[in-house]
Amino acid sequence: NAGVTQTPKFQVLKTGQSMTLQCAQDMNHEYMSWYRQDPGMGLRLIHYSVGAGITDQGEVPNGYNVSRSTTEDFPLRLLSAAPSQTSVYFCASRFDRDTEAFFGQGTRLTVV
Amino acid sequence: RKEVEQDPGPFNVPEGATVAFNCTYSNSASQSFFWYRQDCRKEPKLLMSVYSSGNEDGRFTAQLNRASQYISLLIRDSKLSDSATYLCAVTPWGGYNKLIFGAGTRLAVHP
Repeated sequence: NAGVTQTPKFQVLKTGQSMTLQCAQDMNHEYMSWYRQDPGMGLRLIHYSVGAGITDQGEVPNGYNVSRSTTEDFPLRLLSAAPSQTSVYFCASRFDRDTEAFFGQGTRLTVV
Repeated sequence: RKEVEQDPGPFNVPEGATVAFNCTYSNSASQSFFWYRQDCRKEPKLLMSVYSSGNEDGRFTAQLNRASQYISLLIRDSKLSDSATYLCAVTPWGGYNKLIFGAGTRLAVHP
């Protein structure tokens, strides 16, 4: 039972580099989200999707892009990494708005 | 004002104590409510959903107060293993997939 799988688990980037954080779920959930977690800030919503081809911005979308071409995958792209994007990133999926969200194990990103 | 607010703590309690956390939300039409538990450097995991009539799961009781716009979590007979951060989460009205989290309350249970 894979659930939500995120890769990579750890990443170090140089300022200005780009990269994609991968997220895949095998539960056939329509709803997927990306969060970042910083000390004392809790989980802040970056982008979310309610189905293939449909995405929207969350609380802190600047510097990040997403796309949803399939139900299973929801990658998060950092176009030009900045030190302020150093954080732990979590992907989550849920069946609908009234059910629990399942989280991936997180990606610890450091931008130097 | 943040959509979902929690006291960050930490709450330091002895084993066997009863401890309660509150979480306030700003959108009066919010639809679904949850408590998550997060261990250090791990992903959040659902502790329990919060229903309008209140609900209990063993030593844990969750309640919803729509009039005052808060949810609560009560932990009875605290165990060392309850030490973690407790996050509340709310789906606001019209929020589709949005699940908004509070910053979390840290609980430390000591012998």
